[in-house]
Amino acid sequence: SQTIHQWPATLVQPVGSPLSLECTVEGTSNPNLYWYRQAAGRGLQLLFYSVGIGQISSEVPQNLSASRPQDRQFILSSKKLLLSDSGFYLCAWGVLGYTFGSGTRLTVV
Amino acid sequence: AQSVTQLGSHVSVSEGALVLLRCNYSSSVPPYLFWYVQYPNQGLQLLLKYTSAATLVKGINGFEAEFKKSETSFHLTKPSAHMSDAAEYFCAVSENTGFQKLVFGTGTRLLVSP
Repeated sequence: SQTIHQWPATLVQPVGSPLSLECTVEGTSNPNLYWYRQAAGRGLQLLFYSVGIGQISSEVPQNLSASRPQDRQFILSSKKLLLSDSGFYLCAWGVLGYTFGSGTRLTVV
Repeated sequence: AQSVTQLGSHVSVSEGALVLLRCNYSSSVPPYLFWYVQYPNQGLQLLLKYTSAATLVKGINGFEAEFKKSETSFHLTKPSAHMSDAAEYFCAVSENTGFQKLVFGTGTRLLVSP
């Protein structure tokens, strides 16, 4: 069966520090992968999606970037965090209805 | 562009009462529609999906939703609320062609009182 792993679960980082969130999928090949951010009262905002290794599409210009170094690995990064980067980050995979990871709560202080 | 509107950021019901969470969509092509549930500090779990087959869709935990094209709606219902249904619910839409990217509503928090 397919599973999706996302870590860490919580993260507190100072402004200006780098960020790396990792997501891996097991049990499937060449999955479509997604990064969403959830802010209170604003639903889920699609940040990046990828249909294959090295193929990244950005939905919203921002302080973040994404990479897909391996078929089932999706990484969300930032060189310098801003306060506005705080939120709940969710990784997902799939085509017709996604399967979500358990999320990372990022607080930038 | 596609979008969904969830009416009511909070809905309160008593245990045993009918649950009705409203979702209206906008799409220039026939849509696929989804309902997800999220418990605190967790990811989203798929409740049910409409993919142009039967208009009445049954999902997990006793939930169901009906696709009404004339009303551009996909409301979520459950005949009898349980305390364990208290969570946030998200409606989402995607096109049935191309990349099928999901667009989510802003969510409705369901509160269930004893």
